[in-house]
Amino acid sequence: ETGVTQTPRHLVMGMTNKKSLKCEQHLGHNAMYWYKQSAKKPLELMFVYSLEERVENNSVPSRFSPECPNSSHLFLHLHTLQPEDSALYLCASSQDMQTRGGEKLFFGSGTQLSVL
Amino acid sequence: GQNIDQPTEMTATEGAIVQINCTYQTSGFNGLFWYQQHAGEAPTFLSYNVLDGLEEKGRFSSFLSRSKGYSYLLLKELQMKDSASYLCAVMDSNYQLIWGAGTKLIIKP
Repeated sequence: ETGVTQTPRHLVMGMTNKKSLKCEQHLGHNAMYWYKQSAKKPLELMFVYSLEERVENNSVPSRFSPECPNSSHLFLHLHTLQPEDSALYLCASSQDMQTRGGEKLFFGSGTQLSVL
Repeated sequence: GQNIDQPTEMTATEGAIVQINCTYQTSGFNGLFWYQQHAGEAPTFLSYNVLDGLEEKGRFSSFLSRSKGYSYLLLKELQMKDSASYLCAVMDSNYQLIWGAGTKLIIKP
């Protein structure tokens, strides 16, 4: 148990569907992240939030829309996805932004997304 | 460009020792992390090195040489539960984490 909970664990959706991924952290952290993990590829950082403000958006297509209503919750809203978006989506948190070294990440178990 | 290289897959025997290497080329350096990820589970933090040398934590040790752009994770007295992927990540001068693709470690009885 890492203190970061993601739901759902698995999601299958069609290209025209709209769905949302949810992440909740119980660690009192100030920074939260969305990562994409594809098989045999490095983790790709998608979005970073610090104290509920989006501080980074790594050229992610607009069909992915993040939302951070408070410092404990993070959502990723999905619409009109493509089959190449199928991947494991990981949420993570850290005490503060990684503006200094050594700030370790606490990850959730991820949502395995399949787009048909 | 920035790059992290680590072997895709390694196999080792229960009770033995294995060394997982990581080499990096990044714009600056602010530390190197190792994470462990069991299949279907969250990556979990193993170690952080920012100075050269060996850091030991029980059966796991991590080594760093900044001049060579090189690190390794050493696992001793391997157990079946050590079967997992091991992710190497370097923090560059902008405090961005650059990730390797991970090394899948298979432990055989």
